Amino acid sequence: SQQGEEDPQALSIQEGENATMNCSYKTSINNLQWYRQNSGRGLVHLILIRSNEREKHSGRLRVTLDTSKKSSSLLITASRAADTASYFCATSDNNLFFGTGTRLTVIP
Amino acid sequence: KAGVTQTPRYLIKTRGQQVTLSCSPISGHRSVSWYQQTPGQGLQFLFEYFSETQRNKGNFPGRFSGRQFSNSRSEMNVSTLELGDSALYLCASRSGPGWANEKLFFGSGTQLSVL
Repeated sequence: SQQGEEDPQALSIQEGENATMNCSYKTSINNLQWYRQNSGRGLVHLILIRSNEREKHSGRLRVTLDTSKKSSSLLITASRAADTASYFCATSDNNLFFGTGTRLTVIP
Repeated sequence: KAGVTQTPRYLIKTRGQQVTLSCSPISGHRSVSWYQQTPGQGLQFLFEYFSETQRNKGNFPGRFSGRQFSNSRSEMNVSTLELGDSALYLCASRSGPGWANEKLFFGSGTQLSVL
């Protein structure tokens, strides 16, 4: 399966702390994307990193990609209660395959 | 620009029935993908349509089918419903066929409960 796997499955932190989520995948990719999902809703695209990029920033988000280890990480700095959601990595080849997600809870 | 619209938002069916879900993509988007989301399995890819043609299909039984119309709107159908079909069905659209810089735009989903 090309599906990514996020780690940890669940993460609980205090507001203001940083949150780090990891993603591992199995095959070669065109790019890797991170999405966010609030409970019972659709997913929202956060950031895309191409296979030839190593790091990308967007606001409080920082994504790294290590194609040699087939892994990526998403760092959310200075977390807020509103960041509480599930976060998914997705890898693209002929299609977009999602992992099972990390459930992040930010405690006010 | 309106987002991806899925109808209905909630649906309750009984085993053995069939169901049709609808998805209207963002205007100008020609690709529509469908995903099934369950707590245990995460998001599972069902199929993708581009310009009325099915381009890719996931590992689901033939009870799951779909189609896309000339205006890019898409429907998916599940026949002979089983309890395990209870899930959030998500539709997503994108503008082109390739994946180089493409991202998906998701609808809010249809929550299907099979009793």
